[in-house]
Amino acid sequence: DTAVSQTPKYLVTQMGNDKSIKCEQNLGHDTMYWYKQDSKKFLKIMFSYNNKELIINETVPNRFSPKSPDKAHLNLHINSLELGDSAVYFCASSQDGLAGETQYFGPGTRLLVL
Amino acid sequence: GNSVTQMEGPVTLSEEAFLTINCTYTATGYPSLFWYVQYPGEGLQLLLKATKADDKGSNKGFEATYRKETTSFHLEKGSVQVSDSAVYFCALSDPYNFNKFYFGSGTKLNVKP
Repeated sequence: DTAVSQTPKYLVTQMGNDKSIKCEQNLGHDTMYWYKQDSKKFLKIMFSYNNKELIINETVPNRFSPKSPDKAHLNLHINSLELGDSAVYFCASSQDGLAGETQYFGPGTRLLVL
Repeated sequence: GNSVTQMEGPVTLSEEAFLTINCTYTATGYPSLFWYVQYPGEGLQLLLKATKADDKGSNKGFEATYRKETTSFHLEKGSVQVSDSAVYFCALSDPYNFNKFYFGSGTKLNVKP
């Protein structure tokens, strides 16, 4: 039933480790996104894919690498984790990426880097 | 550039009080405007939206009108409930890159019985 799902929900790890977050949507949407929400609730887009092609790549360290194996999945791999990477990461999707379209968000992955 | 400014929170109201959360925006062109709500421990959900000037979005008793002359999209509700306690985000989509959303910093609403 879940439209946009993310795993894991919580991730606690040590500095320097590599971790992945997975996202899947069953809405049949063409466009998917990754957002980062910091401790002050500020939400910023990181990446967007449309039909497996990267269309938005904001100023994000290259330790972050998104991968879209198919249009229903967009995973986020993070290398050499740093303390400042601690945040909530949200996946989202939209139908075609057209004007006025709603983005549908997953429940978030709470990442804590120790 | 594009940006969204929301009033700082938290906003604390008693049940049945009137709610206004201010939102103003800066954009080149004509963006679509959105209000999203985030309940504790959950992702963002669309509350309402408006895609052109003078449009009014409404849902669950909340409403907001797209005012181009004042570049505003203030959220209002006539009578809040305890269940409305959440963080509210105003957002716009880039008029030239519809995939790109800009969010305000969020306004936390606490409604007391």
